[in-house]
Amino acid sequence: GDSVTQMEGPVTLSEEAFLTINCTYTATGYPSLFWYVQYPGEGLQLLLKATKADDKGSNKGFEATYRKETTSFHLEKGSVQVSDSAVYFCALASGGGADGLTFGKGTHLIIQP
Amino acid sequence: EAEVAQSPRYKITEKSQAVAFWCDPISGHATLYWYRQILGQGPELLVQFQDESVVDDSQLPKDRFSAERLKGVDSTLKIQPAELGDSAMYLCASSLEGTATEAFFGQGTRLTVV
Repeated sequence: GDSVTQMEGPVTLSEEAFLTINCTYTATGYPSLFWYVQYPGEGLQLLLKATKADDKGSNKGFEATYRKETTSFHLEKGSVQVSDSAVYFCALASGGGADGLTFGKGTHLIIQP
Repeated sequence: EAEVAQSPRYKITEKSQAVAFWCDPISGHATLYWYRQILGQGPELLVQFQDESVVDDSQLPKDRFSAERLKGVDSTLKIQPAELGDSAMYLCASSLEGTATEAFFGQGTRLTVV
């Protein structure tokens, strides 16, 4: 079945550091890929998505590129802020949009001033 | 701003009791999902509705869990009887039309079974 593997947390960085959160997936066919973010006390929010190979999703300074050859969708940001502290979930959807999302376990990101 | 509403936010129930959660999706969203998120894990899909029809309930423990969306709008997820292992966050999400469109999540119901 489908699965998503993302790096274990917590990840602790200083403000303005470069961020990478690794995500790899296993799926049949060509899934759509997503990053969701969960801020403390809030629900999950879509951060960015990519629907086909080599697509780059971007939002709020975050980027991720759909790499079919390495089955990866790593999340990056050039300069993190304290307000980026949250839990980040990588997810996929296969079945042409008819299936629900399959999530990774989440990565807790802590940004120190 | 439109949002997915869930109630209650928190629920404590005793083992073997019945418990129910309610979800009101964003108006006009045809697709509704229920997910379970165990502490420290990612959400896992329990059931997906398209309008009032169940599209996927393959991961729903049907001996104790049931879900309905009678008029294709709001939805109820029920557990009877609750077990200790059911303690988790139950998340509802909705989208205009399947996962090809953005899924919006509610804040969830935190269930503790004692």
